[in-house]
Amino acid sequence: AQKVTQAQTEISVVEKEDVTLDCVYETRDTTYYLFWYKQPPSGELVFLIRRNSFDEQNEISGRYSWNFQKSTSSFNFTITASQVVDSAVYFCALSEEGKLIFGQGTELSVKP
Amino acid sequence: SQTIHQWPATLVQPVGSPLSLECTVEGTSNPNLYWYRQAAGRGLQLLFYSVGIGQISSEVPQNLSASRPQDRQFILSSKKLLLSDSGFYLCAWTWGQVNTEAFFGQGTRLTVV
Repeated sequence: AQKVTQAQTEISVVEKEDVTLDCVYETRDTTYYLFWYKQPPSGELVFLIRRNSFDEQNEISGRYSWNFQKSTSSFNFTITASQVVDSAVYFCALSEEGKLIFGQGTELSVKP
Repeated sequence: SQTIHQWPATLVQPVGSPLSLECTVEGTSNPNLYWYRQAAGRGLQLLFYSVGIGQISSEVPQNLSASRPQDRQFILSSKKLLLSDSGFYLCAWTWGQVNTEAFFGQGTRLTVV
């Protein structure tokens, strides 16, 4: 069965530091999608990115970047020059046959 | 544009009481609908999903049930709440095609006392 592991439970950094959130997944399928979501203190989940299993190109969006490596079944998320507003819980998720399975989340705390 | 509404935002219920949480989606048709629960440990657990009216798939055996009486309405219910049902419940929808991103409601924080 599919599984998503986010080994880092909590990360604390000082503003302007770069930080990488790890995500490792397991799936038997050759076609799947990976996602990252942000959950600020308000609780609502905010979609950040979707990546399909056939596209291993890295993605950059402003201070956010994602590194997808099928060889290691990883889909890591890097925030460059972190800011206090980046403080949130971040979830990695895997979609297979329409079901979205989440990791346990990483709580990122960015201190001024 | 599409919007998802979930209510109530917070709920305190005694053990043994019934539960009904409602979720509706506007601006789209035939969405896939989902109920997730987030316990204190922060992980999101998929409870139910539905690909159409009356079609419900349960992921975890438990004290809860779900129904989809209309295309864009998804209801989470319980006949008798347990203390372990406490948590943050999130409704989500995706486009009818598989593997698209999910859009979430604002959640319901349920405390069973």
